[in-house]
Amino acid sequence: QKEVEQDPGPLSVPEGAIVSLNCTYSNSAFQYFMWYRQYSRKGPELLMYTYSSGNKEDGRFTAQVDKSSKYISLFIRDSQPSDSATYLCAMSGGYNQGGKLIFGQGTELSVKP
Amino acid sequence: DTEVTQTPKHLVMGMTNKKSLKCEQHMGHRAMYWYKQKAKKPPELMFVYSYEKLSINESVPSRFSPECPNSSLLNLHLHALQPEDSALYLCASSHTGAISGNTIYFGEGSWLTVV
Repeated sequence: QKEVEQDPGPLSVPEGAIVSLNCTYSNSAFQYFMWYRQYSRKGPELLMYTYSSGNKEDGRFTAQVDKSSKYISLFIRDSQPSDSATYLCAMSGGYNQGGKLIFGQGTELSVKP
Repeated sequence: DTEVTQTPKHLVMGMTNKKSLKCEQHMGHRAMYWYKQKAKKPPELMFVYSYEKLSINESVPSRFSPECPNSSLLNLHLHALQPEDSALYLCASSHTGAISGNTIYFGEGSWLTVV
């Protein structure tokens, strides 16, 4: 079993839809949770960062972490064609605990106009 | 725009060539990383430098040789690569303090093709 599981998709939605992207994990030592967006042939771009459990909102994006269920989510409201990209969840126990970032497989999202 | 700059953006090299990938960051980060990414896969960690010292080597073949000349620069020297080494090579950096966790910032990557 992988430490981080993420549905690879592809996921196709119409413009304006609410998108829900999810990851589950098995390592209870993870405390830092990130979502990266990667456009084709570009490096990953940090989108959201959350420490421990809770919600974080930034514009159309909301990140949720439920440590009791070992489940994290990224919601995109009013999705746009420019949101079409691969979304990678990533998590770690923090730099002082080895610092390795563990990635999910990435979900490929396509938002159709 | 990313604050981690990588050069060159594209590189084609033969299996007997020696080349280098370069990375620079000016965010004051003291941890720098090399990742390798194949198509439709997540980035795979290769090396981690902390305060200019190699702290993690993920059993990477010796044909890849990292170097950290100072806190802002990171190089990856390439020699006698194989076609299966063709990939996107990503440089990244982060703070090292516990309060900032391990939020890693990536560069745009260097596309390497080995022929």
